[in-house]
Amino acid sequence: AQKITQTQPGMFVQEKEAVTLDCTYDTSDQSYGLFWYKQPSSGEMIFLIYQGSYDEQNATEGRYSLNFQKARKSANLVISASQLGDSAMYFCASSISSGSARQLTFGSGTQLTVLP
Amino acid sequence: DAGVIQSPRHEVTEMGQEVTLRCKPISGHNSLFWYRQTMMRGLELLIYFNNNVPIDDSGMPEDRFSAKMPNASFSTLKIQPSEPRDSAVYFCASSQRGLYNSPLHFGNGTRLTVT
Repeated sequence: AQKITQTQPGMFVQEKEAVTLDCTYDTSDQSYGLFWYKQPSSGEMIFLIYQGSYDEQNATEGRYSLNFQKARKSANLVISASQLGDSAMYFCASSISSGSARQLTFGSGTQLTVLP
Repeated sequence: DAGVIQSPRHEVTEMGQEVTLRCKPISGHNSLFWYRQTMMRGLELLIYFNNNVPIDDSGMPEDRFSAKMPNASFSTLKIQPSEPRDSAVYFCASSQRGLYNSPLHFGNGTRLTVT
């Protein structure tokens, strides 16, 4: 079965430091998208960043960047200059074919805690 | 622009009762998704609509669950009869184009508790 793997259930980072959250995916599709979402304790799902499988450059959005290594099937999220407000659950997801539809499959998440 | 709007935010009901969750997608988005989130199973896709037509409902747990999208601006997820194991956060999400290259925009979710 196709799946998204996030191997870090929890991560800690010191405020103002950078942190990398790992994500690997398993697909035989040629065209797919990779997404990262943030879920703070309040519960909403916030879209952070997107990378297409054909994109040559790594995606960046402000302090967020996606380290995309296609051959390794990894799409790690890098957060630079961590802030206390970055403490949240982070989900990696991919648009992977599943039967007759393309669905967004989510990893199990990484709980990030930013320490003052 | 208004985001995806879900109602109610919280629902507490007794086992056996009917529950209806509502969703208004972002205007112009043609794909709509219902997800369920629990600690044990994470985020699960229940059903997905494209242009108001259900495309994949393989994630719907059983016949007690049904979803409709009568028009481009409204969808419902109904559970009848509800059971305690249905307790979860239910998210509705919409996207503008094919899922491959379009992010999902999520509503704030409905936290359902079935006692």
